[in-house]
Order: sequence, then C-alpha cells, then structure tokens
Amino acid sequence: SYEVTQPPSLSVSPGQTASITCSADKLGNKYVSWYQQKPGQSPILVIYQSRKRPSGIPERFSGSNSGNTATLTITGTQAMDEADYYCQAWDSSTRVFGGGTKLTVL
Amino acid sequence: QVQLEQSGAEVKKVGASVQVSCKASGYTFANYGISWVRQAPGQGLEWMGWISPYNGDTDYAERLRDRLTMTTDTSTSTAYMELRSLRPDDMAVYYCAINGHSYNFALDVWGQGTSVTVSS
Repeated sequence: SYEVTQPPSLSVSPGQTASITCSADKLGNKYVSWYQQKPGQSPILVIYQSRKRPSGIPERFSGSNSGNTATLTITGTQAMDEADYYCQAWDSSTRVFGGGTKLTVL
Repeated sequence: QVQLEQSGAEVKKVGASVQVSCKASGYTFANYGISWVRQAPGQGLEWMGWISPYNGDTDYAERLRDRLTMTTDTSTSTAYMELRSLRPDDMAVYYCAINGHSYNFALDVWGQGTSVTVSS
C-alpha cells in the first residue's frame, strides 16, 4: 500500500517560517492537499492541488510538490496557526493521508 | 451555504454494526462524491472510502473493504456509511466530506463528525 510520511512535530517561534514536509514515492506525480485541524474541530482545507490556496485561507500558507516531497510553508507563523496538519495524496487510486504534524508556535 | 450534517454519537458492542448518516444541503448532491474519513482518539486521519451519489460507484480502503458499505439516497441528499463486525480499534470520530465541491482533488467541506464508541 502507498505510504505517506510526515514528521510528528515541529516547533517555530511567532513570525518565523514553518515548513511541514510530506514524503512518499513519486509524490510529485500526484496532487497533494493539506488540512489544518484544531482540537475538537473538523479539518479544514488550506492547500489543494499541491500549491493552490482556497478562498479565505491567508496568503501566508503556500504549498509545493516535487520529486518525493511535498511541503506546506507558513510564512510569518502566527499563534493561531498552532494545530495539527495533514497532507493527503491524490491520484486515480490513492487517497492516503500522512500521519500528521503537530505544529507548536512558541 | 454548503454543509454536511452528520448523525449523533453511537455506542456499540464489539461485533455489532454501526451506520452513520451525512445529510447534504446547499448544493446539488448528485454532482460531487462523498468521502468518509475516521480519526481514532489521539490519532491521525484515515481515509476510509468514497462514493459517487450520481451512479453509486464506490472505492474502499483495502483494509476495510470486507466490512464497509457506503450508500447514498439522492431523494434525501443523504450519504450513509455502515461498518460491520466492529472491533475496539474501530472506536473513532467518523467524518464525511465532499470531494471537490469548489476545489478539485480535495475534501473541501466536512461534516461535524460522529463519535462511535465500541465497548466489550
């Protein structure tokens, strides 16, 4: 089965850049979506088709995808960005989530 | 507005079945697939499967395929997920989500989640 790997945790200081990675075989050939989930809430979409941002998502969120790695970048991280982040790989037969990354802003 | 309203929390015994419903509103139900995702306590998201309300096509995660059935009722714009032979590790919050309503290759609208407790 297709496996997608994320680092379990990442800590950044407010105002710094957070880069959350998502790794899998030939991931660059697939679309990747990213979701933010805060405690007790449903996930929300923050990046789709690897690098596009939905309406209402701040410009500080961006995405890239090449080779075996996709990256969610939060530029100028704010305290409100503290959450769990999940990537999801998409193609005709794959809908797999990564294990999630807990982002701490301190 | 586009939204998904899920059924309430369930408590089931090991070996029983559970059915969770997901009622859609604010859009043409038949036009977009519905995925089901679950999250065990303190764990990550797990994609369970997908159904097309338009023609009933389904795609299930391999590890759940023999216990899982997804259906839809287009007359009531409702999707259903049934999981059989429940085990303790099926205890989770179950979410439904729309596939690509506004954004392709993404789950862009989520339900509020349904807690399923499995007890022995």
